[in-house]
Amino acid sequence: AQSVSQHNHHVILSEAASLELGCNYSYGGTVNLFWYVQYPGQHLQLLLKYFSGDPLVKGIKGFEAEFIKSKFSFNLRKPSVQWSDTAEYFCAVKKEAAAGNKLTFGGGTRVLVKP
Amino acid sequence: GAGVSQSPSNKVTEKGKDVELRCDPISGHTALYWYRQSLGQGLEFLIYFQGNSAPDKSGLPSDRFSAERTGGSVSTLTIQRTQQEDSAVYLCASSLASGGPETQYFGPGTRLLVL
Repeated sequence: AQSVSQHNHHVILSEAASLELGCNYSYGGTVNLFWYVQYPGQHLQLLLKYFSGDPLVKGIKGFEAEFIKSKFSFNLRKPSVQWSDTAEYFCAVKKEAAAGNKLTFGGGTRVLVKP
Repeated sequence: GAGVSQSPSNKVTEKGKDVELRCDPISGHTALYWYRQSLGQGLEFLIYFQGNSAPDKSGLPSDRFSAERTGGSVSTLTIQRTQQEDSAVYLCASSLASGGPETQYFGPGTRLLVL
């Protein structure tokens, strides 16, 4: 079965520090990749997505992610975090060729940015 | 409203009772998904509706869970004879289902607590 792994469950960092969250998946075919964010008390929102083309994708709020097919990875990065980036971040994968469109999510990474 | 809406936002019930959770997708979105977010299991796919096609029920954890979608719009997730392990946040998402890669947009969820 396909799985999605997020290596860090919790990350604590100070404002202006750089952030990188790892995401690896196990499916070998063509995939669509997503990062969603859930701010405290809010619902899941899309940060960025990769469907095809340039493997370096830019999302909202200064986030970017790089798809490395050979490593089955889609890591999320932000050069300088702000206190408002405190949230839980979820990586999600959809198998493009599969019937249906269900997303398989990683376990999430809770990020706490200290002011 | 412009987003996916869900009701109720919170539901407390007693073990053994039935509950119904409602989802209103974004207008014009033909695909609708239910997911469950729980402490032990993370974010799990439950069921997917696409137009008039038979739903993909592959994620439903037991036959106590069922869902329907009337008129291609509103969906109801029903849990019969609730158990304490059903306690979770139930998330609904919708997408355009244009035939190509697409993004799912999530609602705020229904937080279910089974006592």
